[in-house]
Amino acid sequence: DAKTTQPPSMDCAEGRAANLPCNHSTISGNEYVYWYRQIHSQGPQYIIHGLKNNETNEMASLIITEDRKSSTLILPHATLRDTAVYYCIVISNFGNEKLTFGTGTRLTIIP
Amino acid sequence: NAGVTQTPKFQVLKTGQSMTLQCAQDMNHEYMSWYRQDPGMGLRLIHYSVGAGITDQGEVPNGYNVSRSTTEDFPLRLLSAAPSQTSVYFCASSYYGRVLEQYFGPGTRLTVT
Repeated sequence: DAKTTQPPSMDCAEGRAANLPCNHSTISGNEYVYWYRQIHSQGPQYIIHGLKNNETNEMASLIITEDRKSSTLILPHATLRDTAVYYCIVISNFGNEKLTFGTGTRLTIIP
Repeated sequence: NAGVTQTPKFQVLKTGQSMTLQCAQDMNHEYMSWYRQDPGMGLRLIHYSVGAGITDQGEVPNGYNVSRSTTEDFPLRLLSAAPSQTSVYFCASSYYGRVLEQYFGPGTRLTVT
């Protein structure tokens, strides 16, 4: 699986859009980008995933660059409840693949 | 649905003791897994199961056993607890065709003294 690089921490003002970057320059053609988050003292929570097209759901949007070497998770109107560690995972979606979590980005929403 | 439940929430063991962490899900998910999370590190996969009667090792299986006699339950057994097993343990489940979209339980915080 391709390696990912995320900033260790970020701050965002409440009500603003939070943009979390992820670099994955060695991503291969059959690998997807998955995002999870972990709120303090809770289990991780799946957010969104994509292959090459931008994706949006009720939680967030995922923007993947045309060369697929990086992506951005966007929380459009961040609330205090969005304070969490966000994990970007690049992984093939075929066969018996297993999630591997790195250290992620600690996002703090500031009132 | 209760989702993924784990018991106990907290546990303190002495070195050498054994115990079982319980995990259950009511979503009829085929895939279940166990992770541990240590401070400053990401989650690491211990064991997983793709269905009743089938289990396999993850990246850190030593010192742990699992079994899957039913679709709903996936207990994790610590055979002889060691201080290095002090961690937070998470159980997760998903449909087999959507293994990468897992539902996680609330975790068990284990301390081994």
